[in-house]
Amino acid sequence: QVQLQESGPGLVKPSQTLSLTCTVSGGSISSGSYYWSWIRQPAGKGLEWIGRIYTSGSTNYNPSLKSRVTISVDTSKNQFSLKLSSVTAADTAVYYCARTYGYIFEWGQGTLVTVSS
Amino acid sequence: EIVLTQSPATLSLSPGERATLSCGASQSVSSSYLAWYQQKPGLAPRLLIYDASSRATGIPDRFSGSGSGTDFTLTISRLEPEDFAVYYCQQYGSSPGTFGQGTKVEIK
Repeated sequence: QVQLQESGPGLVKPSQTLSLTCTVSGGSISSGSYYWSWIRQPAGKGLEWIGRIYTSGSTNYNPSLKSRVTISVDTSKNQFSLKLSSVTAADTAVYYCARTYGYIFEWGQGTLVTVSS
Repeated sequence: EIVLTQSPATLSLSPGERATLSCGASQSVSSSYLAWYQQKPGLAPRLLIYDASSRATGIPDRFSGSGSGTDFTLTISRLEPEDFAVYYCQQYGSSPGTFGQGTKVEIK
């Protein structure tokens, strides 16, 4: 059973870059035909897909965030990462990493990131 | 991008009753690439249905999905106490994948 765990700062200042890492355990991030994705959810609101990366390194991003998002993978550490630049209060949310085909069949537990000075 | 609209926003039902949740798409969802998730407070969503009608591993058969094109339905045949939660649909046929705004199934 693959498990995913998000890690990173819980508080980021406005205009700075949000950086999160997802560590995959119980299986290799390089095996299988999966996408590794980031999704977020503001408190009390719905889900927003941020983007995904294939183990080849190819990426797809939500056009609404594309100018600010970078997703990368480190197969040696069995991790993938999210960077979101120029954050504002609107980026405050629970951030989930996930293993996906297109549908999301495994989720991390989520990590709350607050953007505030 | 494809906009998904879920209805109703809230569904008030009693245990044992049947729940019918709708998800409408602003344009046809390619290959019925539509999924349903259940989310309980403080937890990550859980996959229930993928490809519009395929149950995910370990999901009870009281959950069923149907539909194609722009109209999809999640049915819970008999509500159990643990089924009261928020349900989201998601299309993954077109990038970006998009979610509906959710339907809350609450105890009447």
